[in-house]
Amino acid sequence: AQTVTQSQPEMSVQEAETVTLSCTYDTSESDYYLFWYKQPPSRQMILVIRQEAYKQQNATENRFSVNFQKAAKSFSLKISDSQLGDAAMYFCAYRNPNFGNEKLTFGTGTRLTIIP
Amino acid sequence: DTGVSQDPRHKITKRGQNVTFRCDPISEHNRLYWYRQTLGQGPEFLTYFQNEAQLEKSRLLSDRFSAERPKGSFSTLEIQRTEQGDSAMYLCASLSGFSTDTQYFGPGTRLTVL
Repeated sequence: AQTVTQSQPEMSVQEAETVTLSCTYDTSESDYYLFWYKQPPSRQMILVIRQEAYKQQNATENRFSVNFQKAAKSFSLKISDSQLGDAAMYFCAYRNPNFGNEKLTFGTGTRLTIIP
Repeated sequence: DTGVSQDPRHKITKRGQNVTFRCDPISEHNRLYWYRQTLGQGPEFLTYFQNEAQLEKSRLLSDRFSAERPKGSFSTLEIQRTEQGDSAMYLCASLSGFSTDTQYFGPGTRLTVL
């Protein structure tokens, strides 16, 4: 069974600085998808960024980028120029490639605090 | 496209009562997922539907839980004889028919069992 581990329960960063959230996973599959979701307090979960395992290039979305190390099964999220609105729980998630059941396996999350 | 909606947003009930939650997916999304999220944890998969067919259920889904998706549109999740351990956030997500697509989540229903 696939597992996702987020070893940092809490992180904090000064506004405008850069922070990196860690995620490792375990799978025997060679092809899969990885995601970072953001869950603000009392608000719904939204997708931050996704990575297809067959792509060597790291995904980027504006201030968000990932460092995908397939051999090490590591998938970290870097947030540049942190803003107050980035404060949230961040969940790393794994999805196998099988068509028809795209259920997600989540880590336990990292609570990110932005210090003004 | 108004996104995934869930009703109610909050539910407080007494132990032993039955509760039912509703999820309305993004229109034309044929896959619908239910997850449960307890405090301090990430969401855990409960069950999923492709159109009206329930295709997989997690071991977390005891026989007190039942889910339906009549006509492949909205879905309901019912918990019978609630227990305090059922207190959690229940999340719904939907996905289009394309496997490469992304799951879109609703705001969740927070259940508190007293």
